[in-house]
Amino acid sequence: SQQGEEDPQALSIQEGENATMNCSYKTSINNLQWYRQNSGRGLVHLILIRSNEREKHSGRLRVTLDTSKKSSSLLITASRAADTASYFCATDARNFGNEKLTFGTGTRLTIIP
Amino acid sequence: ETGVTQSPTHLIKTRGQQVTLRCSSQSGHNTVSWYQQALGQGPQFIFQYYREEENGRGNFPPRFSGLQFPNYSSELNVNALELDDSALYLCASSLTPVFIAGGSTGELFFGEGSRLTVL
Repeated sequence: SQQGEEDPQALSIQEGENATMNCSYKTSINNLQWYRQNSGRGLVHLILIRSNEREKHSGRLRVTLDTSKKSSSLLITASRAADTASYFCATDARNFGNEKLTFGTGTRLTIIP
Repeated sequence: ETGVTQSPTHLIKTRGQQVTLRCSSQSGHNTVSWYQQALGQGPQFIFQYYREEENGRGNFPPRFSGLQFPNYSSELNVNALELDDSALYLCASSLTPVFIAGGSTGELFFGEGSRLTVL
């Protein structure tokens, strides 16, 4: 079963615009991570935010975490055609300790040149 | 380039057959996790190996089994293949500290996956 759900499922924007995708999850977490996947390939880690953090930046990426609402958002600023990919949030549920990351259903982002 | 390699990249099997998928971890990593990703879905956790022992398992039947070797490479074996086993199988390596405070999982480094088609 999926712990997280991304919203929207698919998003198309013009190059240069900002892209925002959201993730909701169900249980208390140690941390939340965002990954990117180009079509049919392996996942690449983007950013990790811990449960006691509210916001984190990495280059053009900005992640927020609201543990009271059990939600996170990923903002990609000044999008580029190369940002076209699927984006997944993954949670490390507190109950499970170090056992696993549980991935959401993903947002498919298309950047139109 | 994550330093995690998987083989084979693609394979086709028929129902009832058995398959072995292989994964070489990034140098220095002691933990390997396996995920199954069906088309259009997120990765689903199969199991994790830490220091050659299974350390957590998802909702998969016993015909999914694994091994981790002393060099931390790993195998995923699936017996009695079913049509629904068709998927991208992803291996991810990570470093679990000897002492885990709070049980937090860090970044996973994924291979490119093995795409299995069951006919």
